[in-house]
Amino acid sequence: QSVLTQPPSVSAAPGQKVTISCSGSTSNIGNNYVSWYQQFPGTAPKLLIYDNNKRPSGIPDRFSGSKSGTSATLGITGLQTGDEADYYCGTWDSSLRAVVFGGGTKLTVL
Amino acid sequence: QVQLQESGPGLVKPSETLSLTCGVSGYSISSGYYWGWIRQPPGKGLEYIASIYHSGTTSYNPSLKSRVTISLDTSKNHFSLELSSVTAADTAVYYCAREGQWLRGSFDYWGQGTLVTVSS
Repeated sequence: QSVLTQPPSVSAAPGQKVTISCSGSTSNIGNNYVSWYQQFPGTAPKLLIYDNNKRPSGIPDRFSGSKSGTSATLGITGLQTGDEADYYCGTWDSSLRAVVFGGGTKLTVL
Repeated sequence: QVQLQESGPGLVKPSETLSLTCGVSGYSISSGYYWGWIRQPPGKGLEYIASIYHSGTTSYNPSLKSRVTISLDTSKNHFSLELSSVTAADTAVYYCAREGQWLRGSFDYWGQGTLVTVSS
């Protein structure tokens, strides 16, 4: 069982918007920064969002992040078939004194 | 451009020690950042293993801590992972990555990953 909870799967049509949730607690999301990763099959994860809502250079503004209390959300607008991937949230857990990840969410663009 | 590359045996026998090294280019590991290991069992999600700061400070996944050693070799600009007493449950793709020193849990550069299979 992952410390952070994500829905196993989400789906939406091309051009639409989708959100992926990540639920935690005060020891992790509630008091630390959240990152989001995109992973295609057979490849390493790629950092999409850091510091809750910042995008590394080269990440399109179709990807956005937000945090409220002990939950975080990844938003993707203008969905493309190329966005089909697994998405993970991650953060520091101050009680465990370790990095924790969500179980991952598979995005299907119908 | 920062690049990381994992190296080590792809097959380890049960009860033995898994040893991996992550070579870093484009950045001196003694200059800053945490340097971490993350694994992913086949068909499953990401699991944090451990990180080490350039000063030597470490952090570990509590569930693996008793079996994990992470270390830095600044002269070779690489860092290493040892996982002892492995079982089939340790079969996974192992990634090394650079972690933000003020943004723990934010891994901005990753190696390509290396599959380690535990089998006799």
